[in-house]
Amino acid sequence: QKEVEQNSGPLSVPEGAIASLNCTYSDRGSQSFFWYRQYSGKSPELIMSIYSNGDKEDGRFTAQLNKASQYVSLLIRDSQPSDSATYLCAVRGTGGFKTIFGAGTRLFVKA
Amino acid sequence: NAGVTQTPKFQVLKTGQSMTLQCAQDMNHNSMYWYRQDPGMGLRLIYYSASEGTTDKGEVPNGYNVSRLNKREFSLRLESAAPSQTSVYFCASSVPSNNSPLHFGNGTRLTVT
Repeated sequence: QKEVEQNSGPLSVPEGAIASLNCTYSDRGSQSFFWYRQYSGKSPELIMSIYSNGDKEDGRFTAQLNKASQYVSLLIRDSQPSDSATYLCAVRGTGGFKTIFGAGTRLFVKA
Repeated sequence: NAGVTQTPKFQVLKTGQSMTLQCAQDMNHNSMYWYRQDPGMGLRLIYYSASEGTTDKGEVPNGYNVSRLNKREFSLRLESAAPSQTSVYFCASSVPSNNSPLHFGNGTRLTVT
């Protein structure tokens, strides 16, 4: 079992819709959770971070964390074509050093 | 403010050749990391350095060595390149805290023929 799992997609949504991206992780001791966006040929950039159970909102993005279910998700409201990218879920365990990434979900937003 | 700088951007090697990928950060971060990214595999941690003077293996360390030269610089060496090491390599840095994100360089695209 991979430590961090994501559906590879592609996930295709129409412009203006809500895109829902999901991630599960295996290490119950994981402390911090991150969503990165990566455009083709570019380096990952941080979208959201979340550390405690519940929802965290930042503009059109909402991260959701459920530690009991070992599940973290990212919602993108009012999706735009510029949101088309690969979204990487990343999980950091105790100690604050090793960050493990999922394989990423490719998102296409159709105009 | 340059952030994390990687050199070179592109490299082609023949099987068996050696090379060193360079990484430097100017954000005064203590922790630095090397990842490789292959299609469908996401980012996989090769080695990391929690602080100057320490290095540790990540998920896929075989075939690589690292050196934490000083607080700013963390290099990745391939002693005898293999086609399986064809990949995009990313260096990253962070503050050594659970809550701090990684800051990535622009990557090095390496092809081993």
